[in-house]
Amino acid sequence: AAGVIQSPRHLIKEKRETATLKCYPIPRHDTVYWYQQGPGQDPQFLISFYEKMQSDKGSIPDRFSAQQFSDYHSELNMSSLELGDSALYFCASSPYRVAKNIQYFGAGTRLSVL
Amino acid sequence: AQKITQTQPGMFVQEKEAVTLDCTYDTSDQSYGLFWYKQPSSGEMIFLIYQGSYDEQNATEGRYSLNFQKARKSANLVISASQLGDSAMYFCAMREGDSSYKLIFGSGTRLLVRP
Repeated sequence: AAGVIQSPRHLIKEKRETATLKCYPIPRHDTVYWYQQGPGQDPQFLISFYEKMQSDKGSIPDRFSAQQFSDYHSELNMSSLELGDSALYFCASSPYRVAKNIQYFGAGTRLSVL
Repeated sequence: AQKITQTQPGMFVQEKEAVTLDCTYDTSDQSYGLFWYKQPSSGEMIFLIYQGSYDEQNATEGRYSLNFQKARKSANLVISASQLGDSAMYFCAMREGDSSYKLIFGSGTRLLVRP
């Protein structure tokens, strides 16, 4: 079965640079979620989208922005990168407003800011 | 206040034995969902099992079962017949209410299965 695809898997950036993370949800999943997992920490919700509209917002820094496109893929744009942005970034997808609403996660993008 | 509490930072279990990973939660919503995810050392987050707040039966998925005690606000994961491949970090998570579908995670329990 098709899973959530994230690219790139690994990314190395310098401080103050920008980064773009991409997420392709499972087919027929119309909702995308982004999470950030710092070293040794639990994942923290950043933002979610349904039908290209932002549906929920968590602890996402103002330096970050995200969007969902007509094909349901999503991109997380990160600017003015800081050392503290080094983390594993997960994208998850689910069908919207289904009772179980199980979120299936991608393999993550590991971002290292040097 | 912690919404999801996992009190066992690390646990050992002998191969082929059963193990219980604890999870307690805090919510005032009547409708919520509880999830368990497995994170191997490779980093991916793998969905294991789901329990809805209105589900009367405890959820089961193969070797995984969820011991749901609503009055105690606990949702413990039971892994039967542990395998070496079960060694991983396990996260309990909650979705609160019907207006937000974000997941709130606990701090995780690292399970090591001994041969």
